[in-house]
Amino acid sequence: GQNIDQPTEMTATEGAIVQINCTYQTSGFNGLFWYQQHAGEAPTFLSYNVLDGLEEKGRFSSFLSRSKGYSYLLLKELQMKDSASYLCAGMDSNYQLIWGAGTKLIIKP
Amino acid sequence: DTEVTQTPKHLVMGMTNKKSLKCEQHMGHRAMYWYKQKAKKPPELMFVYSYEKLSINESVPSRFSPECPNSSLLNLHLHALQPEDSALYLCASSQVMRQGAYGSTDTQYFGPGTRLTVL
Repeated sequence: GQNIDQPTEMTATEGAIVQINCTYQTSGFNGLFWYQQHAGEAPTFLSYNVLDGLEEKGRFSSFLSRSKGYSYLLLKELQMKDSASYLCAGMDSNYQLIWGAGTKLIIKP
Repeated sequence: DTEVTQTPKHLVMGMTNKKSLKCEQHMGHRAMYWYKQKAKKPPELMFVYSYEKLSINESVPSRFSPECPNSSLLNLHLHALQPEDSALYLCASSQVMRQGAYGSTDTQYFGPGTRLTVL
């Protein structure tokens, strides 16, 4: 079957760094997406990885290891506005997104 | 510009009403999607249109009826809904639905959603 696993909730301090992990099992693989979703709002695209390695975009970076079925999202210099849910989604061989349940990130001052 | 617009933002309807949700994008994307999202759950795919043709229907009840009048517009017609259909309905679009080469052209961009309440 297809499955995406990520922690339900994480807490971090403003200004710190946090890493949100995601493991995936999909039928075929066409990339791994990370989205940010604030409560009551739509998901916003953050990153896409299809090759192994680290992709950096400002304060956010995303890493992929295809052999391990593993990805992480790294958030640096955390700000209060980063409090949100972070959704990991794998794209399968039919180009459909298989979604994780999301990780709720709580930032404390 | 990665904007997808949806109207209305909020909708309250009775179980006998007929209403429609609208979605629009002007990014030249040829794939459009309807998702349903309940609180604290990930989005659930309902329908996919690729080049204005319905390509995926995820066993959605017939009280939900999608329509794609042209490449920029996507509608979701609602009729005889149940209270359990109350949710956030999200529209998304991507350049294409299937891409053979590596790239990010399948990235889905979401609209702000319609918060639907069925009484």
